[in-house]
This record gives sequence, structure tokens and C-alpha cells, in this order.
Amino acid sequence: DTAVSQTPKYLVTQMGNDKSIKCEQNLGHDTMYWYKQDSKKFLKIMFSYNNKELIINETVPNRFSPKSPDKAHLNLHINSLELGDSAVYFCASSQWTGGGTGELFFGEGSRLTVL
Amino acid sequence: GENVGLHLPTLSVQEGDNSIINCAYSNSASDYFIWYKQESGKGPQFIIDIRSNMDKRQGQRVTVLLNKTVKHLSLQIAATQPGDSAVYFCAEMVNFGNEKLTFGTGTRLTIIP
Repeated sequence: DTAVSQTPKYLVTQMGNDKSIKCEQNLGHDTMYWYKQDSKKFLKIMFSYNNKELIINETVPNRFSPKSPDKAHLNLHINSLELGDSAVYFCASSQWTGGGTGELFFGEGSRLTVL
Repeated sequence: GENVGLHLPTLSVQEGDNSIINCAYSNSASDYFIWYKQESGKGPQFIIDIRSNMDKRQGQRVTVLLNKTVKHLSLQIAATQPGDSAVYFCAEMVNFGNEKLTFGTGTRLTIIP
């Protein structure tokens, strides 16, 4: 069973399009994240949600809109895609309370290529 | 951060030898540190963590050392195996539990058979 799953794994699209990436975790964690990894492998946090509530928003352009319908899901919608949005986007989840260790469990990543 | 935007630091080690991967962190208020391993095409995986009230922690074949005086973290991997080839990241957090984990640049470790 995949703990953190994200779809699609690959996404190729044209500049200006709108696209979404979905993420689901079956670990029962309260906190979910989106991270962006660029071509230099640098991993940067974008958003975190705790129990459907936005906790961290790291000065990400408002073209990026996360949505958490429930604590097991965190989707990422991107409007008006730009070349610089090309990256691998990782979803992760963790549990910080109730004895949780805080370890982040990552999905396999969604590679977005904007042409 | 170190080497941000330039290139990914690399380290090549002969199979069976020990390896040491270093990380300098910038925030003296950080009190929780984690090492992650990322294999090609996969997401990062937790290796080992350490709180700031410790200076050493050991796992299976891995040891993390923390030097708060110089804000330095290292990951030692003993008796390296081909499966250890990956990119390794250190990550830091200010106030354990505040949920914001900041990753370092990463180091690519290649094990030479």
C-alpha cells in the first residue's frame, strides 16, 4: 500500500494552461505539504496544511492554489503555467502531535514540464 | 545556504568504505535536524534525526553528529553499499513541531563497486 500517493506522475503542458496535481495519504496524518524540487535538486516548501487548515504559505505566487477537502487529501492547482514552474512537485505528510515523530513521508513526485 | 543554485556537491566512495556527508545550517535557533535520502525518481526518505540536546545519534550503519557551536551536521554511513548511492539532504526545523522543515542543498553520493 502506498502511504502518500500523488497523480499524475508526469505532466507536460503548454505555457498559460491550468493544471492540477492530486495527493492522498493513508497514514492518518494531520499535516500535509507541497514541496517543489528544481533542476538543481533544491527542495523548497510551498505550503502546509494541518487538518484542512493552511499553516504555511511560503511566498508562493497566487497562481498556485492548494486545496484540502479533508485531512487525507491535499491538491495543488496551478493557473497560467509559466516555464519556471517546471519542476518536480512532492507531496508529503507528517504527524506532529499525539506521539507523532514528525517524520515527513513523501510521495514519488509529479514531474511538471511546461513548454 | 551552501552552494544554492550552483551545482550539487558530489562525493564518490569505494564500496565497503565509510562515507561522511557534511551539512552547514544557518539558523542557530534550529533545534531539530533530519537526514533524508533521495534515490533517482523517488521521493526523499527519512534516514535519521537528532534533537539539539544531543550531539550524536546512531542508527543502522548510520551516525549523525551535531555540532551546534559551528552549526554543522554530518551523516556517517558505514560499510557503504551500492544501494547507498543517492542524493542526501539535511533538513532543519526551528521549534520541533512547528511543521516547517527547511532542506539544505543536498549531496550526491556515488558508491563505486
